[in-house]
This record gives sequence, C-alpha cells and structure tokens, in this order.
Amino acid sequence: DAKTTQPPSMDCAEGRAANLPCNHSTISGNEYVYWYRQIHSQGPQYIIHGLKNNETNEMASLIITEDRKSSTLILPHATLRDTAVYYCIVRALLGQGAQKLVFGQGTRLTINP
Amino acid sequence: SAVISQKPSRDICQRGTSLTIQCQVDSQVTMMFWYRQQPGQSLTLIATANQGSEATYESGFVIDKFPISRPNLTFSTLTVSNMSPEDSSIYLCSVESRTGANVLTFGAGSRLTVL
Repeated sequence: DAKTTQPPSMDCAEGRAANLPCNHSTISGNEYVYWYRQIHSQGPQYIIHGLKNNETNEMASLIITEDRKSSTLILPHATLRDTAVYYCIVRALLGQGAQKLVFGQGTRLTINP
Repeated sequence: SAVISQKPSRDICQRGTSLTIQCQVDSQVTMMFWYRQQPGQSLTLIATANQGSEATYESGFVIDKFPISRPNLTFSTLTVSNMSPEDSSIYLCSVESRTGANVLTFGAGSRLTVL
C-alpha cells in the first residue's frame, strides 16, 4: 500500500473551512484515497473516498490533484464536533471483499471557538 | 451500513488473566477485522477473521496471545490471553459497511486496562 504523509496537527476556527492535506506520492493507479476520522473515545468513522475525480458528500469534499500524488479533505464549515484525528489511507480496491486498512498517525484537527 | 456492538465497553483486569471481547454485527459479513489502539497511538491491525477458516494474523500478533473465534457471519470474539499492563489498549472490531467499496464500519471499542 502507498504510504501517506499528514501534518501531525492543525487548528481551525469554528465556522471556517478546514483543509487537511495528505501526500501520497507513491500511489498506484488502482489505489483509492480514503479518509476516516476518530473522535475522542469513539471508533473511526468513514468520511469519503475517491480515485481521481473530486468527490463531495454530506460530510466533506475530497480534492485529488491531477497527478494523484496528494489530496485535500475539506470540511466546509467546521464545528466544534469536527475536532478529531483525521486519517488519510490509500488502498487498492481488489474486488475480493473487504480489505484491511492500515492507519498512519493522522492529523489531529482542533476546531477553536 | 452495518451496526456493530462490542462487549465489554471497558474492563479492568489483573495481570495474568484473560479477557474475551465480543463483536456482534446486525448483518452478515464475510470478513471481520480486529484492531488494537494503544494509548495515544494509531490503530494497528491484529488479525482478519473469516467465517469458517482460521484468522489471519498480522506481523507481531500470534494466535496463542490473541485467539479469535468466528462461529458465524454476524459474530466474532477476540481473547487477550495472559494479560500484562502492555496489553492495556482499546480493541476495536470492524466490518465492511458498503459492499465492494472497501468502506469499513468500526465498533465503539473495548477499553482494557490491565493492572
């Protein structure tokens, strides 16, 4: 699996957009970018994933660069409840059922009032 | 998406004892994953449990220490054997919540403290 690099921590003001970067310069053509977050004392929660096109859902937007070597998770209007550790994971979709996910250290995002 | 119930949610155990953690899913799933999260650390995969076959363990984890059962498609157990304080962690199970998309749903975890 491609290795990812994320800043260890970030701060963002409540109500502003939180932009979380992730570098995955060794990503392969069949590998997707997944984002999960873990709010304190809870299990990780899936946010979004994509291959090469930008993706948006009710939680966030995912912007993947054209060369696919980096991506940005955008929380458009951050709230205090978005304070969490955010994990960027790269994994191939092999079509053989669920695949294990390897978690890095993630980015600890703190939303400030 | 799948809903996972884990028991116990937390426990305090004595050194040398064993604890079995249960993971119940509200739908049938092929694979279940067991993770460990040590204090202040990220998640580390312990093993993958398929129904009807032996669990597949990751490097650094062995069956004698972390035996896993998978009796049916909705249930699994992880036992932490002969515990030491270094086993104090949160143990989480997860399953695929969206077939074919490799999206995992996680349980709330079982927080284990070993004295």
